[in-house]
Amino acid sequence: GAGVSQTPSNKVTEKGKYVELRCDPISGHTALYWYRQSLGQGPEFLIYFQGTGAADDSGLPNDRFFAVRPEGSVSTLKIQRTERGDSAVYLCASSPRGSPYNEQFFGPGTRLTVL
Amino acid sequence: AQKVTQAQTEISVVEKEDVTLDCVYETRDTTYYLFWYKQPPSGELVFLIRRNSFDEQNEISGRYSWNFQKSTSSFNFTITASQVVDSAVYFCALIGGSYIPTFGRGTSLIVHP
Repeated sequence: GAGVSQTPSNKVTEKGKYVELRCDPISGHTALYWYRQSLGQGPEFLIYFQGTGAADDSGLPNDRFFAVRPEGSVSTLKIQRTERGDSAVYLCASSPRGSPYNEQFFGPGTRLTVL
Repeated sequence: AQKVTQAQTEISVVEKEDVTLDCVYETRDTTYYLFWYKQPPSGELVFLIRRNSFDEQNEISGRYSWNFQKSTSSFNFTITASQVVDSAVYFCALIGGSYIPTFGRGTSLIVHP
């Protein structure tokens, strides 16, 4: 079956612009996670959803970052007034219903470059 | 707060050598899960194993084995008879009571033919 997909695969933008990154989780997976991965680092948690609601957004670095999942499936990570420090690979992962300790299935990521 | 430390930044071996990747964790939770993921050059993280804090039994899956020791807060990963296809970055991760995953910085394994 289809895995987690993320679009676009690459996004180049200018400082100060607004960007949206999309994640399509595996069908039926209720949990969805967003991470940010900088070069040479592990994934850094940003936010996770159980269904439509954000269960924990404590990893979002500031109020320029926002994420939605209106129908409990596709999710969009939104970054306002982008800064050069936002450049990273943004990863999405989904997990089946049930235990929050389930393994996660990762997408290929979106590489964001802010010039 | 929880923390995962992978002290080895990069390991280089020759094919058929055995290699162990170290993972040390910190948590105050009594219930937690530990994970290993593989990130090949293509980029996508792939799940390898999950272990809960109440099960210290070691696990073997083909050439892969895992040693979980609560006494030393370690969850080490050994690849026996390494192959070039094992070249990747390997991440150890922990999920505790907050349900927020914490990943280590990863260990880059390079297996030379």
